[in-house]
This record gives sequence, C-alpha cells and structure tokens, in this order.
Amino acid sequence: GQNIDQPTEMTATEGAIVQINCTYQTSGFNGLFWYQQHAGEAPTFLSYNVLDGLEEKGRFSSFLSRSKGYSYLLLKELQMKDSASYLCAALYNFNKFYFGSGTKLNVKP
Amino acid sequence: DTGVSQDPRHKITKRGQNVTFRCDPISEHNRLYWYRQTLGQGPEFLTYFQNEAQLEKSRLLSDRFSAERPKGSFSTLEIQRTEQGDSAMYLCASSQPYGRMNTEAFFGQGTRLTVV
Repeated sequence: GQNIDQPTEMTATEGAIVQINCTYQTSGFNGLFWYQQHAGEAPTFLSYNVLDGLEEKGRFSSFLSRSKGYSYLLLKELQMKDSASYLCAALYNFNKFYFGSGTKLNVKP
Repeated sequence: DTGVSQDPRHKITKRGQNVTFRCDPISEHNRLYWYRQTLGQGPEFLTYFQNEAQLEKSRLLSDRFSAERPKGSFSTLEIQRTEQGDSAMYLCASSQPYGRMNTEAFFGQGTRLTVV
C-alpha cells in the first residue's frame, strides 16, 4: 500500500558506505521509519524522521524530504553483521504503518 | 515488560483446520497491529486496534480471518479453514499514539504458520 518503493537488493564492501533509498506517497503522510530485519527474525527499529533533514544515530543516518516523498538510510563503516533486509515504513493518517518490500543488503569482505 | 510477545512461535496445521495466534503488546501501548509477511516481502498490513476497538481491517483479509482485543491488552488472530496460501509469518506490533515520544512500532518475534 501507499506505493512505498525501495531497491530489492544491494551489495557493498565491509568498511564502505551504502545508501538505501525509499520513495513513498505523500498524501496523509506523517513520518518515515527504518527497520532492520535479519532472516527469520522480527524487524527492529533503526530510525525515525518526521521533519525534513538528517537524523544521525551512530553508524546509521536517515534523511527525509517531505516535499519529494523521499528518504534514505545511510550506513557507514559497514560490518558483516549489517547484512540484513532494511525496511522502509511510512506512517499515514496518524495510525497505520505501511512497509516497502525491503532492501536486502549483502556486505562482502 | 520485555517487549511484544507472540505465541506460538511456530504452527504447522493441516489445510482446513482453524488456528489462533496470541499477541501480548508492550503494556503501555494502546495501539496494536497485525501484519503478514511472506519470504522476500515487507510486512503487509492486516488490521489495527486502538485499545479494544478494531479501527481498520485490510481488504486483503478474507472473512476467514478475525482478530480481537477484548480488554484492550492482548490480542488474538484466528484463521478459519486454513489454506496453503495462508502460510506466512504473522507479526504483531504495538505503539504509543502518534505525537508521543517513541511513536515507532515495536514488533514481536512473529508466528510462522505452515499449512500442509
């Protein structure tokens, strides 16, 4: 729902920086969330943007542009344990979270 | 309170049987969500409660699916006459109302359903 789009898969090298993009429908939009999900496990919360700009949390940063319906998750100093799926989720009408299909990130040595 | 808990973690059932899953949200969270996730896909919204009221149900949810949250605390999701297409991970999440700190949804570990 809500046309949340993100790339299906990305590959990056240990120690590098990777940016995962997400676009979403702007009507009714309230906030953008990023989750990490390892295979067979539940999604775990990474970051949350309501206003335009960059939110930084250690090696992870997330950016939001409300007017463009665009967000990205930036992962720095990649580690092997960062190999996982990254889910973009948008909150609409103050009550529902819609998720993208997830971006599978492969970190190689 | 250690987070959202779901029971059982795994369920194997024969086609045509009924199954029921339980979710216990974080105690101070008044919002509770059910999602379904299949391999390689993101979680798909099924239904949502605010306290005991079921405020929305996805069109994806057939009449075989029903969810309750009788006292505004734990919730159950029942699937009647299961079909092989119901095989998926069923995720429960809870959150505080929007506008408070920590509005993000916290997920349980999920119930993996296999219909044979």
